[in-house]
Amino acid sequence: DAGVIQSPRHEVTEMGQEVTLRCKPISGHNSLFWYRQTMMRGLELLIYFNNNVPIDDSGMPEDRFSAKMPNASFSTLKIQPSEPRDSAVYFCASSFSGFDGQPQHFGDGTRLSIL
Amino acid sequence: KNEVEQSPQNLTAQEGEFITINCSYSVGISALHWLQQHPGGGIVSLFMLSSGKKKHGRLIATINIQEKHSSLHITASHPRDSAVYICAVLYGGSQGNLIFGKGTKLSVKP
Repeated sequence: DAGVIQSPRHEVTEMGQEVTLRCKPISGHNSLFWYRQTMMRGLELLIYFNNNVPIDDSGMPEDRFSAKMPNASFSTLKIQPSEPRDSAVYFCASSFSGFDGQPQHFGDGTRLSIL
Repeated sequence: KNEVEQSPQNLTAQEGEFITINCSYSVGISALHWLQQHPGGGIVSLFMLSSGKKKHGRLIATINIQEKHSSLHITASHPRDSAVYICAVLYGGSQGNLIFGKGTKLSVKP
Protein backbone atom coordinates (compact mmCIF):
# COMPACT_ATOMS: atom_id res chain seq x y z
CA ASP A 1 0.00 0.00 0.00
CA ALA A 2 1.44 3.37 -1.01
CA GLY A 3 1.77 5.86 1.78
CA VAL A 4 1.46 9.62 1.52
CA ILE A 5 3.52 10.76 -1.45
CA GLN A 6 5.14 14.18 -1.51
CA SER A 7 7.06 15.83 -4.29
CA PRO A 8 9.62 17.10 -4.77
CA ARG A 9 11.78 15.63 -1.99
CA HIS A 10 14.15 18.57 -2.19
CA GLU A 11 13.76 22.01 -3.71
CA VAL A 12 16.35 24.75 -3.90
CA THR A 13 15.35 28.02 -5.47
CA GLU A 14 16.08 31.71 -5.36
CA MET A 15 14.01 34.15 -3.37
CA GLY A 16 11.14 35.66 -5.25
CA GLN A 17 10.42 32.49 -7.20
CA GLU A 18 7.13 30.62 -6.95
CA VAL A 19 7.35 27.26 -5.19
CA THR A 20 4.74 24.51 -5.46
CA LEU A 21 4.77 21.50 -3.16
CA ARG A 22 2.61 18.51 -3.99
CA CYS A 23 0.95 15.82 -1.94
CA LYS A 24 -0.97 12.67 -2.75
CA PRO A 25 -2.79 11.35 0.34
CA ILE A 26 -3.53 7.71 1.08
CA SER A 27 -6.50 6.52 -0.94
CA GLY A 28 -9.66 6.57 1.18
CA HIS A 29 -8.38 9.14 3.66
CA ASN A 30 -10.62 12.20 3.80
CA SER A 31 -8.43 14.53 5.86
CA LEU A 32 -5.19 16.11 4.70
CA PHE A 33 -2.76 18.22 6.70
CA TRP A 34 0.16 20.46 5.77
CA TYR A 35 2.89 21.02 8.38
CA ARG A 36 6.11 23.00 8.44
CA GLN A 37 9.17 22.15 10.55
CA THR A 38 12.09 24.46 11.31
CA MET A 39 14.82 24.36 13.92
CA MET A 40 13.58 27.59 15.47
CA ARG A 41 9.84 26.91 15.62
CA GLY A 42 9.63 23.11 15.52
CA LEU A 43 6.54 21.58 13.92
CA GLU A 44 3.60 23.80 13.03
CA LEU A 45 0.25 22.98 11.48
CA LEU A 46 -0.32 25.23 8.47
CA ILE A 47 -3.70 24.09 7.17
CA TYR A 48 -5.94 21.10 7.10
CA PHE A 49 -8.66 19.89 4.76
CA ASN A 50 -11.62 17.64 5.40
CA ASN A 51 -13.34 16.20 2.33
CA ASN A 52 -11.30 18.60 0.16
CA VAL A 53 -12.58 21.66 2.06
CA PRO A 54 -10.14 23.82 4.08
CA ILE A 55 -11.22 23.62 7.72
CA ASP A 56 -8.52 25.54 9.55
CA ASP A 57 -5.95 27.73 7.81
CA SER A 58 -5.06 29.83 10.83
CA GLY A 59 -1.53 28.46 10.74
CA MET A 60 -0.79 29.76 7.25
CA PRO A 61 1.91 32.36 7.85
CA GLU A 62 0.79 35.04 5.42
CA ASP A 63 -0.83 35.74 2.07
CA ARG A 64 2.20 34.45 0.21
CA PHE A 65 1.10 30.95 1.19
CA SER A 66 -1.88 29.24 -0.39
CA ALA A 67 -3.10 25.66 -0.38
CA LYS A 68 -5.59 23.87 -2.58
CA MET A 69 -7.16 20.44 -2.71
CA PRO A 70 -8.94 20.16 -6.06
CA ASN A 71 -9.83 16.51 -5.49
CA ALA A 72 -9.49 13.75 -2.91
CA SER A 73 -6.18 12.51 -4.28
CA PHE A 74 -4.15 15.68 -4.67
CA SER A 75 -3.18 18.82 -2.79
CA THR A 76 -0.72 21.64 -3.39
CA LEU A 77 0.95 24.17 -1.14
CA LYS A 78 2.17 27.21 -3.01
CA ILE A 79 4.49 30.00 -1.88
CA GLN A 80 4.63 33.09 -4.03
CA PRO A 81 6.93 34.96 -3.80
CA SER A 82 9.27 32.80 -1.75
CA GLU A 83 11.61 34.24 0.90
CA PRO A 84 14.67 32.77 2.68
CA ARG A 85 12.68 32.49 5.94
CA ASP A 86 10.38 30.00 4.20
CA SER A 87 13.23 27.48 4.20
CA ALA A 88 11.98 24.46 6.13
CA VAL A 89 10.82 20.89 5.78
CA TYR A 90 7.18 20.74 4.72
CA PHE A 91 5.23 17.62 5.64
CA CYS A 92 1.91 16.45 4.33
CA ALA A 93 -0.17 13.93 6.30
CA SER A 94 -3.53 12.25 5.80
CA SER A 95 -6.00 10.42 7.99
CA PHE A 96 -9.49 8.97 7.94
CA SER A 97 -11.15 11.67 9.98
CA GLY A 98 -9.40 14.84 11.03
CA PHE A 99 -8.35 14.85 14.66
CA ASP A 100 -10.99 12.37 15.82
CA GLY A 101 -8.63 9.76 17.22
CA GLN A 102 -7.43 8.33 13.91
CA PRO A 103 -3.66 8.21 13.36
CA GLN A 104 -2.14 10.49 10.75
CA HIS A 105 0.14 9.08 8.11
CA PHE A 106 3.00 11.37 7.14
CA GLY A 107 4.82 11.76 3.87
CA ASP A 108 8.61 11.90 3.77
CA GLY A 109 8.55 15.69 3.55
CA THR A 110 9.88 18.27 1.11
CA ARG A 111 13.09 19.99 2.17
CA LEU A 112 12.83 23.53 0.84
CA SER A 113 15.77 25.92 0.67
CA ILE A 114 15.25 29.47 -0.48
CA LEU A 115 18.51 31.25 -1.32
CA LYS B 1 -2.55 30.61 25.09
CA ASN B 2 -1.74 26.94 25.50
CA GLU B 3 1.83 26.07 26.35
CA VAL B 4 3.16 22.57 25.78
CA GLU B 5 6.19 21.49 27.75
CA GLN B 6 8.06 18.25 27.25
CA SER B 7 10.61 16.72 29.57
CA PRO B 8 13.30 15.73 29.45
CA GLN B 9 14.65 17.57 26.42
CA ASN B 10 17.32 14.90 25.89
CA LEU B 11 17.46 11.36 27.23
CA THR B 12 20.13 8.71 26.93
CA ALA B 13 19.33 5.18 28.03
CA GLN B 14 20.85 1.72 27.92
CA GLU B 15 19.16 -0.96 25.88
CA GLY B 16 16.48 -2.69 27.92
CA GLU B 17 15.71 0.25 30.19
CA PHE B 18 12.19 1.52 30.83
CA ILE B 19 11.75 4.99 29.34
CA THR B 20 9.29 7.72 30.33
CA ILE B 21 8.77 10.95 28.41
CA ASN B 22 6.47 13.60 29.82
CA CYS B 23 4.21 16.23 28.28
CA SER B 24 2.38 18.95 30.19
CA TYR B 25 0.01 21.58 28.88
CA SER B 26 -1.68 24.59 30.38
CA VAL B 27 -5.31 24.69 29.19
CA GLY B 28 -8.05 22.18 28.54
CA ILE B 29 -7.62 20.10 25.42
CA SER B 30 -9.75 17.81 23.29
CA ALA B 31 -6.96 15.40 22.31
CA LEU B 32 -3.24 14.76 22.59
CA HIS B 33 -1.02 13.31 19.91
CA TRP B 34 2.34 11.53 20.27
CA LEU B 35 4.62 11.49 17.23
CA GLN B 36 7.96 9.81 16.60
CA GLN B 37 10.50 11.43 14.27
CA HIS B 38 13.31 9.16 13.11
CA PRO B 39 16.88 10.39 12.63
CA GLY B 40 16.26 10.47 8.87
CA GLY B 41 13.39 12.92 9.40
CA GLY B 42 10.40 10.66 8.79
CA ILE B 43 7.45 11.13 11.15
CA VAL B 44 5.19 8.39 12.49
CA SER B 45 2.00 8.96 14.43
CA LEU B 46 2.12 6.80 17.56
CA PHE B 47 -1.02 7.62 19.51
CA MET B 48 -3.89 10.05 19.65
CA LEU B 49 -5.75 9.97 22.94
CA SER B 50 -8.23 12.05 24.88
CA SER B 51 -8.48 9.95 28.05
CA GLY B 52 -7.04 6.94 29.81
CA LYS B 53 -4.35 4.80 28.30
CA LYS B 54 -3.39 3.27 24.95
CA LYS B 55 -0.88 0.52 24.26
CA HIS B 56 0.83 -0.58 21.08
CA GLY B 57 3.57 -3.16 21.37
CA ARG B 58 6.21 -1.83 23.75
CA LEU B 59 4.74 1.67 23.75
CA ILE B 60 2.20 2.91 26.26
CA ALA B 61 0.64 6.38 26.35
CA THR B 62 -1.35 7.72 29.27
CA ILE B 63 -3.16 10.97 29.83
CA ASN B 64 -4.49 12.61 32.98
CA ILE B 65 -6.95 15.29 31.96
CA GLN B 66 -7.28 16.76 35.47
CA GLU B 67 -3.53 17.15 35.86
CA LYS B 68 -3.06 18.25 32.21
CA HIS B 69 -0.31 15.72 31.75
CA SER B 70 0.55 12.84 29.46
CA SER B 71 3.34 10.29 29.52
CA LEU B 72 4.81 8.08 26.85
CA HIS B 73 6.46 4.92 28.13
CA ILE B 74 8.75 2.55 26.27
CA THR B 75 9.34 -0.85 27.82
CA ALA B 76 12.47 -2.91 27.06
CA SER B 77 13.98 -0.05 25.03
CA HIS B 78 16.02 -0.84 21.95
CA PRO B 79 18.48 1.22 19.88
CA ARG B 80 15.89 1.39 17.09
CA ASP B 81 13.70 3.42 19.49
CA SER B 82 16.24 6.26 19.17
CA ALA B 83 14.27 9.17 17.77
CA VAL B 84 12.70 12.49 18.70
CA TYR B 85 9.33 12.07 20.41
CA ILE B 86 6.92 14.97 19.95
CA CYS B 87 3.76 15.72 21.87
CA ALA B 88 1.02 17.83 20.29
CA VAL B 89 -2.21 19.03 21.87
CA LEU B 90 -5.44 19.90 20.15
CA TYR B 91 -7.65 22.44 21.82
CA GLY B 92 -10.69 24.35 20.71
CA GLY B 93 -12.42 21.29 19.25
CA SER B 94 -11.73 19.55 15.95
CA GLN B 95 -11.56 22.90 14.20
CA GLY B 96 -9.26 24.35 16.79
CA ASN B 97 -5.56 24.72 17.33
CA LEU B 98 -2.78 22.13 17.32
CA ILE B 99 0.25 23.10 19.38
CA PHE B 100 3.46 21.08 19.35
CA GLY B 101 6.02 20.54 22.08
CA LYS B 102 9.68 20.96 21.21
CA GLY B 103 10.34 17.23 21.38
CA THR B 104 12.41 14.84 23.46
CA LYS B 105 15.49 13.41 21.80
CA LEU B 106 15.98 9.79 22.91
CA SER B 107 19.17 7.83 22.35
CA VAL B 108 19.22 4.18 23.34
CA LYS B 109 22.71 2.70 23.55
CA PRO B 110 23.35 -1.00 22.92
